[in-house]
Amino acid sequence: DAKTTQPTSMDCAEGRAANLPCNHSTISGNEYVYWYRQIHSQGPQYIIHGLKNNETNEMASLIITEDRKSSTLILPHATLRDTAVYYCIVRPSRGTGNQFYFGTGTSLTVIP
Amino acid sequence: GAVVSQHPSWVICKSGTSVKIECRSLDFQATTMFWYRQFPKQSLMLMATSNEGSKATYEQGVEKDKFLINHASLTLSTLTVTSAHPEDSSFYICSARGGVRRNQPQHFGDGTRLSIL
Repeated sequence: DAKTTQPTSMDCAEGRAANLPCNHSTISGNEYVYWYRQIHSQGPQYIIHGLKNNETNEMASLIITEDRKSSTLILPHATLRDTAVYYCIVRPSRGTGNQFYFGTGTSLTVIP
Repeated sequence: GAVVSQHPSWVICKSGTSVKIECRSLDFQATTMFWYRQFPKQSLMLMATSNEGSKATYEQGVEKDKFLINHASLTLSTLTVTSAHPEDSSFYICSARGGVRRNQPQHFGDGTRLSIL
């Protein structure tokens, strides 16, 4: 039921910005975009979410295109500890669909 | 921030044993919790939605008699893997949604690694 498409893997140099894309071309008007990451053998960690406006917090920035069919998670200065699998998930804000369905995510490797 | 605690972190037991995993929301009340399973090198697969005070809702293909879910309070949900066999060995993860607004994110526990011998 995952409605998102992400590249399987990406590399990023330590200290550089990591830009992780997500395609959600079938997103509905009431669906939010959520980003999580999972470091090996741990539970997923919440990063950020948004509806249509760009969002920023202490961890990352979320850029959502105007048509909302894609988004980009930006880690401004990647560190080795950012190596993880990053998941982009869309979920309705109303109705009974509280569930998250995970896709395959992007495995980000930060290189020293 | 919202914290979800899972216990135990890992368990090894013999085939045929039943195993109970606890999921607690530590600083918020959660009327709904979720249980996932993750096999090596795969993504998380939603197993069921746990509803406080009512029956859990299971995803298609998940045996409700095999994976018993009890959500007796607003801060505790339990998953019991009954008569576990080696094919049930997996990483089990729970989550809970913090707050009332539906757009608030889910927060995940650190998972329970179950190994059946």
